[in-house]
Amino acid sequence: GENVEQHPSTLSVQEGDSAVIKCTYSDSASNYFPWYKQELGKRPQLIIDIRSNVGEKKDQRIAVTLNKTAKHFSLHITETQPEDSAVYFCAFSRGFQKLVFGTGTRLLVSP
Amino acid sequence: GAVVSQHPSWVICKSGTSVKIECRSLDFQATTMFWYRQFPKQSLMLMATSNEGSKATYEQGVEKDKFLINHASLTLSTLTVTSAHPEDSSFYICSASIEGPNEQFFGPGTRLTVL
Repeated sequence: GENVEQHPSTLSVQEGDSAVIKCTYSDSASNYFPWYKQELGKRPQLIIDIRSNVGEKKDQRIAVTLNKTAKHFSLHITETQPEDSAVYFCAFSRGFQKLVFGTGTRLLVSP
Repeated sequence: GAVVSQHPSWVICKSGTSVKIECRSLDFQATTMFWYRQFPKQSLMLMATSNEGSKATYEQGVEKDKFLINHASLTLSTLTVTSAHPEDSSFYICSASIEGPNEQFFGPGTRLTVL
């Protein structure tokens, strides 16, 4: 079945450091890969997404890379700030089908 | 744009009662709406996918007779938890998508507590 592995489950960094979260997916036909940030008790917030025809996308301090051959994609956050602390979820989907979510990474940025 | 609301934001009910949660797309017509359940410190688990005017498609292991989904219009979907029990206590989140992109727009969630 469809599944996605997400690592690490928790990540603690110092303010200003970089953070990298990696996800590996199973469905080679997947073509949409979003990343969500979720604060406690809040809705998931889309922070960046990438489609299968692109290898990398960047938006200020956030970037996502996609390796279709290896079937993994990664979230990169540079110059982390305490307000980046949250749970991050990767997801993937194929066509107009449902999103499959990763298990989540709890990121803690210490001042 | 692309705002999704949910009502209520939280609800406490007694075991055995039914609870209805509404999900509305406020500024767009949603061809598809999704219902998720999220237990503490866990990921979002898709419960069902609903399209306006047709029966919802439930994920494996989700009881369709317990979690009734109605998608009466392109802007409203409802989830009714029937005969709720304490193990149904969870954070229920809906999302809506516009035909075309894969992106889903999430509602703020409803926290259900069953006593």
